[in-house]
Amino acid sequence: NAGVTQTPKFRILKIGQSMTLQCTQDMNHNYMYWYRQDPGMGLKLIYYSVGAGITDKGEVPNGYNVSRSTTEDFPLRLELAAPSQTSVYFCASSPPGSNEKLFFGSGTQLSVL
Amino acid sequence: AQTVTQSQPEMSVQEAETVTLSCTYDTSESDYYLFWYKQPPSRQMILVIRQEAYKQQNATENRFSVNFQKAAKSFSLKISDSQLGDAAMYFCAYRTSSTQGGSEKLVFGKGTKLTVNP
Repeated sequence: NAGVTQTPKFRILKIGQSMTLQCTQDMNHNYMYWYRQDPGMGLKLIYYSVGAGITDKGEVPNGYNVSRSTTEDFPLRLELAAPSQTSVYFCASSPPGSNEKLFFGSGTQLSVL
Repeated sequence: AQTVTQSQPEMSVQEAETVTLSCTYDTSESDYYLFWYKQPPSRQMILVIRQEAYKQQNATENRFSVNFQKAAKSFSLKISDSQLGDAAMYFCAYRTSSTQGGSEKLVFGKGTKLTVNP
């Protein structure tokens, strides 16, 4: 089973460039999340979605955009990349139910120089 | 908003010994879930253990157990018979229950880096 797949695994951007981090899951999960993890820090929620067509902001949404046109895909768009967006980005999904664990992708290491 | 605090940035333990990682949280909700996730150097996030707030009995998973003190808003993780493979970052996390009408987002602490010495 593929689970949660993130692409790319690594990327270097120049300041001001834009890019999309791809995330897809094959478990038919309703809930999907984007987190960022800065060095030595925990995970901070950027955006989340409880189903196709529904998205909402997390703790640190500025500089990012998302869309959820299908259950499977939840891409994260970075517009006008800044050095402060250098981080590891994790996509996750879960079925409905607060006691359910999150299934995480393997992460994208992004550097903005 | 809910917050999760892990006051120990780093901990170390001798192989085969026991170690306890601390976690406290702040919430006004009565129904929620708590989790411990492990992140080894591979970066993969692995669920270690989970606890429902309405259950008084502490959760246990093999060598991993929790000490859940609801009134004190404390949720510590005990690792018994520590193994070299336990070395990792450990994150405490809080999730609102759907019964509270919240978004069921998962909020993480900053993590504790655990070193296991042979």
